Amino acid sequence: DIVMAQSPLSLPVTLGQPASISCRPSQSLVHSDGDTYLNWYQQRPGQSPRRLIYQVSRRDSGVPDRFSGSGSGTDFTLKISRVEAEDVGVYYCMPGTHWLPNTFGQGTKLEIK
Amino acid sequence: QVQLVQSGAEVRKPGASVKVSCKASGYTFIHYYIHWVRQAPGQGLEWMGWINPNAGNTNYAQKFQGRVTMTRDTSVSTAYMELSSLRSDDTAVYYCEAYSPNSPFDYWGQGTLVTVSS
Repeated sequence: DIVMAQSPLSLPVTLGQPASISCRPSQSLVHSDGDTYLNWYQQRPGQSPRRLIYQVSRRDSGVPDRFSGSGSGTDFTLKISRVEAEDVGVYYCMPGTHWLPNTFGQGTKLEIK
Repeated sequence: QVQLVQSGAEVRKPGASVKVSCKASGYTFIHYYIHWVRQAPGQGLEWMGWINPNAGNTNYAQKFQGRVTMTRDTSVSTAYMELSSLRSDDTAVYYCEAYSPNSPFDYWGQGTLVTVSS
């Protein structure tokens, strides 16, 4: 199975400052169609998760543009340009495919300093 | 609006089975795979598998092979996840998720708490 290595696991951030989370899969997520499938999820305390980003960099509906995804190969990043209080929660990466066994990263807990 | 509504909390004894349902509305049920994800208390997300509601084919995480069965009933737009031979470490919130890997479609159920205790 793919292993999704996330870092850091804990991310204290000052309000208004940027934040960055890394995700390194143990194998390529490039499909034969040429696209790369990598999702980012947010789980706020006490809530169901929600997807923020699919196909590395595409934002889901309603996701603020302060969230952005980038990367290729086996090195991906989720960035928050200016952290707001509502961004507190745990962030996970996961291969966004139906043809690979899926597994979530360990999760990165974002908190406000 | 799109909704995934899951069945209520369950309590089971070790060795028993549990079946959780996920009723979809607001979209064409057969168009999007349903994934099942669980989260043990204080732990991260764990992917269990998916079902293609159109064809009924499934793909399970190796960890759950032989213990999990995912089915669907297209007549009532509902997916099911049954987990057997329950152990105490199966105590978790179980979520269903309907998503597209290449379009902005991603919806989650509210979660179902399954407690395994003697």
